[in-house]
Amino acid sequence: EAGVTQSPTHLIKTRGQQATLRCSPISGHTSVYWYQQALGLGLQFLLWYDEGEERNRGNFPPRFSGRQFPNYSSELNVNALELEDSALYLCASRDSGGPNTQYFGPGTRLTVL
Amino acid sequence: QKEVEQNSGPLSVPEGAIASLNCTYSDRGSQSFFWYRQYSGKSPELIMSIYSNGDKEDGRFTAQLNKASQYVSLLIRDSQPSDSATYLCASSANQAGTALIFGKGTTLSVSS
Repeated sequence: EAGVTQSPTHLIKTRGQQATLRCSPISGHTSVYWYQQALGLGLQFLLWYDEGEERNRGNFPPRFSGRQFPNYSSELNVNALELEDSALYLCASRDSGGPNTQYFGPGTRLTVL
Repeated sequence: QKEVEQNSGPLSVPEGAIASLNCTYSDRGSQSFFWYRQYSGKSPELIMSIYSNGDKEDGRFTAQLNKASQYVSLLIRDSQPSDSATYLCASSANQAGTALIFGKGTTLSVSS
């Protein structure tokens, strides 16, 4: 069974630009979570999507947004990039009918110059 | 503010020894607990989940949960150099689908 996939692996942008990150969950999983792992800060929850709807968001500004598509894949958009947005962005998926066990993809390393 | 606290380490143990990793959490409403292993530059990999007080064993790994003390631990028996990684403790509330709250992780180094 394929795991969570993310693209691209690396992304380099400059301040003020927009970044789009993509995630495909494990087959059969309908819930997708986005986390940010910045150096020294640990994993911070960004967004949760389930059945195409945004269910919850973490303590991040509105320029972090996303959506979930009918096939349950998801994208994260970061507008007006700032230097401190440089981080590893991790997507996790979960079987909505099961326990809250989340499986992570390989991540997208975003560098803002 | 719901928090998960871990000693950042590094925790150094010789090959074959038992490594003991600890974690405390602040939210008494937390019901589910997870241990992830993260190698440098890689994403977190789920090792174990635990939901009830007591011990849960899986191979060389044993997770322990004490809800009264708000304490979770992970024991790694017969530690191997390949166990050298950062171990992340995470908790979540009982509501279905809530986000995980992560500690900053403990770095384990196993020397051969």
